Amino acid sequence: DAGVIQSPRHEVTEMGQEVTLRCKPISGHNSLFWYRQTMMRGLELLIYFNNNVPIDDSGMPEDRFSAKMPNASFSTLKIQPSEPRDSAVYFCASRLAGGTGELFFGEGSRLTVL
Amino acid sequence: RKEVEQDPGPFNVPEGATVAFNCTYSNSASQSFFWYRQDCRKEPKLLMSVYSSGNEDGRFTAQLNRASQYISLLIRDSKLSDSATYLCVVTINQAGTALIFGKGTTLSVSS
Repeated sequence: DAGVIQSPRHEVTEMGQEVTLRCKPISGHNSLFWYRQTMMRGLELLIYFNNNVPIDDSGMPEDRFSAKMPNASFSTLKIQPSEPRDSAVYFCASRLAGGTGELFFGEGSRLTVL
Repeated sequence: RKEVEQDPGPFNVPEGATVAFNCTYSNSASQSFFWYRQDCRKEPKLLMSVYSSGNEDGRFTAQLNRASQYISLLIRDSKLSDSATYLCVVTINQAGTALIFGKGTTLSVSS
């Protein structure tokens, strides 16, 4: 079975550019999470969705960040405009709501903003 | 106070050693607890859930103390392959839908 699929795996961009990260959760999972990981702050929860509906976006750093989940099999995290401090690994994870609680992570998108 | 706190380490131990990691959490409403493992430049993966009565999985033992808001992970007979970062994870809402990760404890097992 395919796991959580993220793209791109690596992105290098210049400050001010728009960045779009994509995620395909595991089929049948109805909760989706976006995390950001840096050495300084560890894994930070940005936003999560249940049944495609954003439940808690209090972790989204600021208005430059937005996330959507138009259907059960696709989500995007957009940063516009990007800044060097956004450089991090962005993980998408999914799980069954009400399940064991295990999160299945994608391999991450490593973003570098110059 | 951070929601989930861990000693970052690193813990450097020889093969065969027993090592213990601790984690404290601030939200008394937390319902679920886990240990995840993250290898260098990889994604986190579930190691084990933590149950109120404590639980064991092979060489790994997890304990939960709700009164002290404290979780532990014990690794016996350490292997080289145990070298990784161990992340303590708790839910922060009663619905158990939001999982918060500690920054992790790094373990390095040497021969």
